[in-house]
Amino acid sequence: KNEVEQSPQNLTAQEGEFITINCSYSVGISALHWLQQHPGGGIVSLFMLSSGKKKHGRLIATINIQEKHSSLHITASHPRDSAVYICAVRPQGAQKLVFGQGTRLTINP
Amino acid sequence: SAVISQKPSRDICQRGTSLTIQCQVDSQVTMMFWYRQQPGQSLTLIATANQGSEATYESGFVIDKFPISRPNLTFSTLTVSNMSPEDSSIYLCSVGIDSNQPQHFGDGTRLSIL
Repeated sequence: KNEVEQSPQNLTAQEGEFITINCSYSVGISALHWLQQHPGGGIVSLFMLSSGKKKHGRLIATINIQEKHSSLHITASHPRDSAVYICAVRPQGAQKLVFGQGTRLTINP
Repeated sequence: SAVISQKPSRDICQRGTSLTIQCQVDSQVTMMFWYRQQPGQSLTLIATANQGSEATYESGFVIDKFPISRPNLTFSTLTVSNMSPEDSSIYLCSVGIDSNQPQHFGDGTRLSIL
């Protein structure tokens, strides 16, 4: 079993829909990251969380440390949101990140 | 935040050759990491590039295959040696100011070996 599990693996939705991507992890962490990877391969850091909730534009990320679970929400989704979204955690005491398998999101117009 | 320039962005190479990938950062950073992303997979850490000392390699990766240099706090190279088709992947450089800050990633090098 991977230390970081994401669901769903693939998600297709219509423009305007509310999107939720989930991430569960099995180790104690100091931080959780949500990353966005576009088809060209480049990765953008969306959020770094250690507790609570963060919002940036149409994106919202939440984390529940007790339940070892995080969600990434996209409101009013748009085709340009189509990308792979990756959850990554930094285990306590470690410098490196452990990555989930990613969720491939496709938003159709 | 840090701006990362990674070169080349892509290359097609012959089996048995080597390729060096460069990662340049616009500010001094403590942590630099090299990742591999095989087709359809998530990122796997190859090694942590340490300034002034040898890189720290993860299990399954060795210096002879993936030699790394880090001559200063803004630059690192990763060489993929004696390439085979199994090395076809995206290779990504990532940097961190410290563990309380987000990691930043380069645009990646998409490598295909024929």
